[in-house]
Amino acid sequence: DAGVTQSPTHLIKTRGQHVTLRCSPISGHKSVSWYQQVLGQGPQFIFQYYEKEERGRGNFPDRFSARQFPNYSSELNVNALLLGDSALYLCASSPQYGGGAFYNEQFFGPGTRLTVL
Amino acid sequence: GDSVTQMEGPVTLSEEAFLTINCTYTATGYPSLFWYVQYPGEGLQLLLKATKADDKGSNKGFEATYRKETTSFHLEKGSVQVSDSAVYFCALLRETSGSRLTFGEGTQLTVNP
Repeated sequence: DAGVTQSPTHLIKTRGQHVTLRCSPISGHKSVSWYQQVLGQGPQFIFQYYEKEERGRGNFPDRFSARQFPNYSSELNVNALLLGDSALYLCASSPQYGGGAFYNEQFFGPGTRLTVL
Repeated sequence: GDSVTQMEGPVTLSEEAFLTINCTYTATGYPSLFWYVQYPGEGLQLLLKATKADDKGSNKGFEATYRKETTSFHLEKGSVQVSDSAVYFCALLRETSGSRLTFGEGTQLTVNP
């Protein structure tokens, strides 16, 4: 079975531009979460979506938005890019929402490396 | 708020040496605890987990015990290999936070032959 897939693998943008990152969860998984990993740091939670509804938002500005589609895939959008947005963006899927670690084991994709110049 | 603190890195060991990476946490309630590993150029892989106090998670020779009294979840391996070279992240999940993981800053491990 395919794991979590993300596209594109790498992306280079300039300040002020907009970017869309895509994620396809493991088949049967209904929850998708997004994390930002700045070089040398641990991942920081951005969003969680379950059944196409936002279920959690981390401490990120409104320039960051996301959505989940009927097939449970997801997009992360970032507007007005800043140099500080350069990071590895990780998508994770899990079978459902809530219920602790037993039901919420996160499966991570390989990430999208975004460079803002 | 929730937080995870890992020992300062990086850590460099010789092959077959004993490994300990310290992790302590702050969280309300009874979180689940995880160790993830990230190999160069890849995403995160779950290494092991523990869901309640005194549980021991283990996988591929790595072990960690959930110690509620010291709020710790230290990662250990008796004999490391070159292939264990990676970045290791400690993380917690509160049952009331959906799938929101809180990660530590990571520890870079390099194992030399």
